[in-house]
Amino acid sequence: EDQVTQSPEALRLQEGESSSLNCSYTVSGLRGLFWYRQDPGKGPEFLFTLYSAGEEKEKERLKATLTKKESFLHITAPKPEDSATYLCAVQARQAGTALIFGKGTTLSVSS
Amino acid sequence: GAVVSQHPSWVICKSGTSVKIECRSLDFQATTMFWYRQFPKQSLMLMATSNEGSKATYEQGVEKDKFLINHASLTLSTLTVTSAHPEDSSFYICSALYRGAEAFFGQGTRLTVV
Repeated sequence: EDQVTQSPEALRLQEGESSSLNCSYTVSGLRGLFWYRQDPGKGPEFLFTLYSAGEEKEKERLKATLTKKESFLHITAPKPEDSATYLCAVQARQAGTALIFGKGTTLSVSS
Repeated sequence: GAVVSQHPSWVICKSGTSVKIECRSLDFQATTMFWYRQFPKQSLMLMATSNEGSKATYEQGVEKDKFLINHASLTLSTLTVTSAHPEDSSFYICSALYRGAEAFFGQGTRLTVV
């Protein structure tokens, strides 16, 4: 069964304290792995798509990496405005184009 | 980036009435759109996949007659919650597939049934 597990469930950081979020996945043929940011009461905001092991993408303080079993979202020198829930999702070939989501990591950054 | 607009952002309705939620891709055409439901502090649960011009594909456990989905054009999909009851209260989110690969989401609709 295709599955996505994110850890930790919640993460509290001080402003400037870098860290990483983990997304482990089990899928019968990965078509793509996606990272989204979701603020309370809003829809997910697209961050990155990764398609193959070894691929990396960056956007401001965020960097996403992908291996054959997991993906990391690295946050460098976070700011309070980075506080949100970060969702990881995979697109499996057998499931067509539907995304399978993890439960998310809620990040809180204090100043 | 691709923009998906969902309307309304929130709605309150009486038990037994129907509510329609619209999902529009503003700057691209979307052959495929998805509808999700999200409970508090939970992740997104896929309800159905909507393909333009054909019937929606519902996930196991989702009532087709309660959640009517129509995808009549390449930029619009609608979700109608029929005969709504308090247990249907939730956050409903749509997404549209951009260039057949990346999913962009609407801002969500908070439905409260009283």
